[in-house]
Amino acid sequence: QQQVKQSPQSLIVQKGGISIINCAYENTAFDYFPWYQQFPGKGPALLIAIRPDVSEKKEGRFTISFNKSAKQFSLHIMDSQPGDSATYFCAATHNFGNEKLTFGTGTRLTIIP
Amino acid sequence: DVKVTQSSRYLVKRTGEKVFLECVQDMDHENMFWYRQDPGLGLRLIYFSYDVKMKEKGDIPEGYSVSREKKERFSLILESASTNQTSMYLCASSPMVVYSYEQYFGPGTRLTVT
Repeated sequence: QQQVKQSPQSLIVQKGGISIINCAYENTAFDYFPWYQQFPGKGPALLIAIRPDVSEKKEGRFTISFNKSAKQFSLHIMDSQPGDSATYFCAATHNFGNEKLTFGTGTRLTIIP
Repeated sequence: DVKVTQSSRYLVKRTGEKVFLECVQDMDHENMFWYRQDPGLGLRLIYFSYDVKMKEKGDIPEGYSVSREKKERFSLILESASTNQTSMYLCASSPMVVYSYEQYFGPGTRLTVT
């Protein structure tokens, strides 16, 4: 049972454009929603994260939008750059003091000049 | 800087062989995890451990076992490798700190079973 659904599987965006990746979850007990970024040949690394008590979190060009009633959250990358080309994973967890994460299936983002 | 290292970047094994994947972290983290990464399936948790000699099954433990004899080291064992275990294997660690959910990943081991 896939508890976190991620779309699209791949995304091509022109340099300077906005990249949007969407995730939906089923378990209402989830209380922490991170996004991980993975470059080729590397392990994933935490990019940005949000808790359900806020609807948006921004860090530089990266923004998470969170809709608790719809059980959806999304990653927006403003002014996308070729260096943002990577695979992005959304994730969720609900275990207090337990960091077991449930990951989405990933989105391969390519930024073209 | 947290560092998670994995013993091999690439590994080729034959069907039926016993395979050991080693992971070492240098930040005294309590939690350690093994995932496999497959295209279109994302990261799936195989096993995790909260402490030395402690282990818990993840979502896809069948065909795998783990060992954690020292806090910094977490081993994944394929008792009898099969072709459907060809995959990228990622190790991660994290501290046992309330509301600190960041996991630190190693670079991965690409395992091919022929």
